Amino acid sequence: QVQVVESGGDVVEPGGSLRLSCTASGFTAGFNFSDYYMSWVRQAPGKGLEWISYVSSSGSTVHNADSLKGRFTISRDNARDSVILQMNSLRVEDTAMYYCVGGYPPEWWGQGTLVTVSS
Amino acid sequence: EIVLTQSPGTVSLSPGETATLSCRTSQSLTNTYLAWHQHKPGQAPRLLIYGASTRAAGIPDRFSGSGSGTVLTLTISRLEPDDSAVYYCQQYGRSSWTFGQGTKVEL
Repeated sequence: QVQVVESGGDVVEPGGSLRLSCTASGFTAGFNFSDYYMSWVRQAPGKGLEWISYVSSSGSTVHNADSLKGRFTISRDNARDSVILQMNSLRVEDTAMYYCVGGYPPEWWGQGTLVTVSS
Repeated sequence: EIVLTQSPGTVSLSPGETATLSCRTSQSLTNTYLAWHQHKPGQAPRLLIYGASTRAAGIPDRFSGSGSGTVLTLTISRLEPDDSAVYYCQQYGRSSWTFGQGTKVEL
C-alpha cells in the first residue's frame, strides 16, 4: 500500500515563506516514486478542496493554479523520493491543511500538514 | 480553467437508499479525465472513481460513475451510515486541474 507523508507545516507571519515536503513509499514491485505524478491540494477551514500544483514523474512538467499568482513552486527530487512545495509571500488566506497526493489520476493522499498564516 | 459545478449542495437520505450526485463541467472533458473523491472530517480524502467510471482499488461496487462530455454522475447505491461524507469531483485532463465545490451526503 502506498503511503504518502507530508511535513513542514507551521505557523508563519504574513509575507513569510514556508517549505513543505512530501515523501511516498510502498509502491508495487517494479514501480517507484519516479514513475508517478505528484500534486498538492489544500483545504482552508470550512472550505472545499483546492488543487494547487502538480509535477510530472520526471519533473519536466509543472502546473500551478492561476490563483496563486506564482507565489508557490513545486519541485521533486526523485533520488530522495520527495516532492517540495515552496510557498512565498504567504497570506492569511493561505491558512489551510495541505495534502500531498500521488499518482495520475491523483490516488494516494497523505494525512496533510497544517499551515497557519497569522500575525 | 475548467469550472466544475456540483449539485446538490447537500443531500439527506436514509440507509439503503440511492444517492445521485451531479458534476457539470464548463467545457467538455476529453477522454473523461474526471475523478470522484470521498472526504470525511479528520481523514485524508479517498479516490473512488477515475476516468469517469472506473472504480479505484478496493472501492465497493455500490459506487459507480457515469456520464461524459459536460455532465458526470456519481451514484451511491444501498447507502450505509459510513457513506456520510463530502464528495468532490475533480478534472485532471487539462494543464490546470480543478475540483468541484463538493456535495455533502448526510445519513
